[in-house]
Amino acid sequence: GAGVSQSPRYKVTKRGQDVALRCDPISGHVSLYWYRQALGQGPEFLTYFNYEAQQDKSGLPNDRFSAERPEGSISTLTIQRTEQRDSAMYRCASSGLAQETQYFGPGTRLLVL
Amino acid sequence: AQSVSQHNHHVILSEAASLELGCNYSYGGTVNLFWYVQYPGQHLQLLLKYFSGDPLVKGIKGFEAEFIKSKFSFNLRKPSVQWSDTAEYFCAVRYGADSWGKLQFGAGTQVVVTP
Repeated sequence: GAGVSQSPRYKVTKRGQDVALRCDPISGHVSLYWYRQALGQGPEFLTYFNYEAQQDKSGLPNDRFSAERPEGSISTLTIQRTEQRDSAMYRCASSGLAQETQYFGPGTRLLVL
Repeated sequence: AQSVSQHNHHVILSEAASLELGCNYSYGGTVNLFWYVQYPGQHLQLLLKYFSGDPLVKGIKGFEAEFIKSKFSFNLRKPSVQWSDTAEYFCAVRYGADSWGKLQFGAGTQVVVTP
């Protein structure tokens, strides 16, 4: 069956531009998560949703980062006024109602020049 | 602060050797424990998980892990590795009833298996 998909897979942008990263979870999965992974590190939690409700956004580093999931399915992570330090792999995961195992997508590699 | 520590950043071993990767966490309350693997060019995949019950957990591809509560550890083992086990391995912990949505990952261990 189809897994978690993310787009774009690679994004190169200039400092100061806004970017939007998309995540399409496994069909029927209630919960959706965003993580960021710097080189040589493990994924770091950013935020998560149950249905369309954002349950925890404690990991968003500052107010340039925001996420939404308006219809409880696809989610968008937006980074405004990108900075070079935002360069990383952005990973999305989804899980079923029990919030047990999180299944990850392929990630979006973001490079800010 | 809660943390997850993986003891080795890089491990190189020969085929048929045994593998053990250490993972320690810092919290004394309820935890769920996971090992994920990322093969070259692929996304993170679940190897195994522990929620409760038998502390010795068996996962896919011959991997197992043992939860030792007194040591706050969840070490991953495989008795005999193959070249195809070359990958990066991540330990992850989900802490407590207030944080069920959040996985905290270790820094990862890059494992290289030589023929």
